[in-house]
Amino acid sequence: DIQMTQSPSSLSASVGDRVTITCRASQGIRSDLGWYQQKPGKAPKRLVSAASSLEGGVPSRFSGSGSGTEFTLTISGLQPEDFATYYCLQFNTYPFTFGPGTAVDIK
Amino acid sequence: EVQLVESGGGLVKPGGSLRVSCAASGFSFSDYSMIWVRQAPGRGLEYVSSISSTSSYLYYADSVKGRFTISRDNAKNSLYLQMNSLRTDDTGLYFCARWNTATHSPALDIWGQGTMVSVSS
Repeated sequence: DIQMTQSPSSLSASVGDRVTITCRASQGIRSDLGWYQQKPGKAPKRLVSAASSLEGGVPSRFSGSGSGTEFTLTISGLQPEDFATYYCLQFNTYPFTFGPGTAVDIK
Repeated sequence: EVQLVESGGGLVKPGGSLRVSCAASGFSFSDYSMIWVRQAPGRGLEYVSSISSTSSYLYYADSVKGRFTISRDNAKNSLYLQMNSLRTDDTGLYFCARWNTATHSPALDIWGQGTMVSVSS
């Protein structure tokens, strides 16, 4: 199975900060990667798919990049509603696998 | 309204069985693959199982293979997960989600609210 890692596992940031989260795959997955946001007690919400395609309705301060084994999610200008946990998901090969998550909280 | 609603969670003893369900509405259920994802308390998301639109393709995480069975009934717009030989580490919130490959950017685009499964003696 493809293993996914994320870094950092958590970070503290202030409103307005630029935040970057990295996701790495144990083998090449082309651009078959999505990013999901989850807030406490809620279902995850899709943000980015195919590594860099922003889903409809997602603010443009979110962006994704990468291919192969290394991917990043960037939030340019963190907003109060962005404090949440972020997960990457590879869908190149079954079984799909999620990264362990990155918790973004308020500094 | 497009939605997924899970049900059937509960408390079960180790070694026991449980079937959770997911009712779909507001979209053509039979056109989409579906996925189960779980989340242990305070932990991250874990892929559990997938089923294609016509049930031709089934996939499982290694952690549940041989114990869980995914199925669907397109006439009833419903998805199921039969869980046997349950273990304490199967405890968690079980989400169903729609796997949308209709666009150039496949995604889990619709999620239910989850149903809680607790395995404890």
